[in-house]
Amino acid sequence: GESVGLHLPTLSVQEGDNSIINCAYSNSASDYFIWYKQESGKGPQFIIDIRSNMDKRQGQRVTVLLNKTVKHLSLQIAATQPGDSAVYFCAEKGGNTDKLIFGTGTRLQVFP
Amino acid sequence: EPEVTQTPSHQVTQMGQEVILRCVPISNHLYFYWYRQILGQKVEFLVSFYNNEISEKSEIFDDQFSVERPDGSNFTLKIRSTKLEDSAMYFCASRKDRGSYEQYFGPGTRLTVT
Repeated sequence: GESVGLHLPTLSVQEGDNSIINCAYSNSASDYFIWYKQESGKGPQFIIDIRSNMDKRQGQRVTVLLNKTVKHLSLQIAATQPGDSAVYFCAEKGGNTDKLIFGTGTRLQVFP
Repeated sequence: EPEVTQTPSHQVTQMGQEVILRCVPISNHLYFYWYRQILGQKVEFLVSFYNNEISEKSEIFDDQFSVERPDGSNFTLKIRSTKLEDSAMYFCASRKDRGSYEQYFGPGTRLTVT
């Protein structure tokens, strides 16, 4: 499954460069945020998450930054590789629910 | 690494027919979900399920939809009388326990209603 990218924001980066994918969320009461990667024909794959009591969290080659003041979330991918090419979704969870609300998605294209 | 699995990968059905989409969540997970993604649109929440009952459902999840955990491993989504607008990718997800929020998704079932 994929979001066909006719209206999908696209980020094109050169292999080896760092990528930054941004996301604005809607609910100031959201207490948890998560980034997913979706490759063509596959389901969303967990990348990294962050709770609202943090503003930064690092994983392997990925960093998530949370700015609650402006309700903004970003995913940084270091040394982007061709295998990183996919659609990336942010999702938020409200404080009194466990459903995830997904953003529109950003298509990341990595060229050599 | 444990994964959520879904069957079938693609289901074609005629309008008005019943379909059952099947999921096997990760074995030690306690919370289960269905989401859908219409082509070109966002992933949308349908329903969450815990302790053998629905804990939350969206406006999309009307009387035509139902979920069931018939045994200790399967989690199903039934659409009683499919409509053209039910055509979408349907994703099952599971979450381990109360203390963890990350949801792990299956590969999806593409439902095509003709």
